[in-house]
Amino acid sequence: KAGVTQTPRYLIKTRGQQVTLSCSPISGHRSVSWYQQTPGQGLQFLFEYFSETQRNKGNFPGRFSGRQFSNSRSEMNVSTLELGDSALYLCASSSTSGLNEQFFGPGTRLTVL
Amino acid sequence: DQQVKQNSPSLSVQEGRISILNCDYTNSMFDYFLWYKKYPAEGPTFLISISSIKDKNEDGRFTVFLNKSAKHLSLHIVPSQPGDSAVYFCAASERSGGSYIPTFGRGTSLIVHP
Repeated sequence: KAGVTQTPRYLIKTRGQQVTLSCSPISGHRSVSWYQQTPGQGLQFLFEYFSETQRNKGNFPGRFSGRQFSNSRSEMNVSTLELGDSALYLCASSSTSGLNEQFFGPGTRLTVL
Repeated sequence: DQQVKQNSPSLSVQEGRISILNCDYTNSMFDYFLWYKKYPAEGPTFLISISSIKDKNEDGRFTVFLNKSAKHLSLHIVPSQPGDSAVYFCAASERSGGSYIPTFGRGTSLIVHP
């Protein structure tokens, strides 16, 4: 079974721009969660989607948004980028939203200049 | 305020010895706990978990202990191997909106010397 894939792996943007990151979960997995990892804050939960519905949201501003498609693929969007948005963005999938074990992708490294 | 704390940013251990990684939490609503391992340039991989109804769970060389009264859990790796060198994240979950949302600690970097 193929693992969780994320594209692109690396991205460089400038302040004020917007960015869209993509995640393809493991086949058959319906839950996709997004995390932001920074050296100072560790792994922080952004949001979770299950069957195309946002089920939970972390404590991030509205500039961070996401969606999930009928094939369970998910995208997250960050608008009006700030320097502090530079981070590794990780996507994780699981077969049901009640299952605790998540499978992570390799992440997208976003650098905002 | 951090709800899940891994107070040791790094740990160095000799091959063959025991590695003990610690994690403390503050939210009494957490009822499921997990450990993940992360190698550079890869996403975290699930290692082992424990429900709050248990105080110990073993999987091969890995054992997780949970002390609910102290709000403390630990991961024991015996014997430690150089391939265990990685960053270990502790995560604690509470049920929200029909799913479990994990809160992660900031990680402990384990180095196992040959």
